[in-house]
Amino acid sequence: QKEVEQNSGPLSVPEGAIASLNCTYSDRGSQSFFWYRQYSGKSPELIMFIYSNGDKEDGRFTAQLNKASQYVSLLIRDSQPSDSATYLCAILAGANNLFFGTGTRLTVIP
Amino acid sequence: EAEVAQSPRYKITEKSQAVAFWCDPISGHATLYWYRQILGQGPELLVQFQDESVVDDSQLPKDRFSAERLKGVDSTLKIQPAELGDSAMYLCASSLGVTGATPLHFGNGTRLTVT
Repeated sequence: QKEVEQNSGPLSVPEGAIASLNCTYSDRGSQSFFWYRQYSGKSPELIMFIYSNGDKEDGRFTAQLNKASQYVSLLIRDSQPSDSATYLCAILAGANNLFFGTGTRLTVIP
Repeated sequence: EAEVAQSPRYKITEKSQAVAFWCDPISGHATLYWYRQILGQGPELLVQFQDESVVDDSQLPKDRFSAERLKGVDSTLKIQPAELGDSAMYLCASSLGVTGATPLHFGNGTRLTVT
């Protein structure tokens, strides 16, 4: 069983809509959760991290964590064409083992 | 804003040849990571350094891959001999903290093509 599972997509949403990206993980002891954005041919860049259950908002982005259900999600409000990218979920298992999912490809249609 | 520097950006090599990649982390970042990302997949950790010491190299194919960070600053990843399956993006990342809980900053990567 993979450590981190993501729907590979593609996920298509119209401009201005809310994009919802989901991630599940297997290690119940995981404490730190990250969302990275990766444009085609570029390296990942950190957009959100969350350590506690509940919601964390940063501008148009909201990360949601539910440790009991072992899922973390990312909501992008007012989606823009520039948000079109692959979104990688990363989970820290143990002190140093950061596992990445395969990513969800998001396309925002103008 | 400080960046992680990597070179070269692209490398094409024939199988059985040797290749080397270089990474200079953000100044002051003690932890350095080398990841491999195959097209369509997420990054997979190859090796993690804390200063000049290896913290985790459990996923590094040690028969052909080697990595060093001699002075605890920049780092080199080497593959010898290269195989077709090594074609991938090799990403270097650094972080300020000593554990994976600290967000990683990635370089632009080296895209390796083995022919």
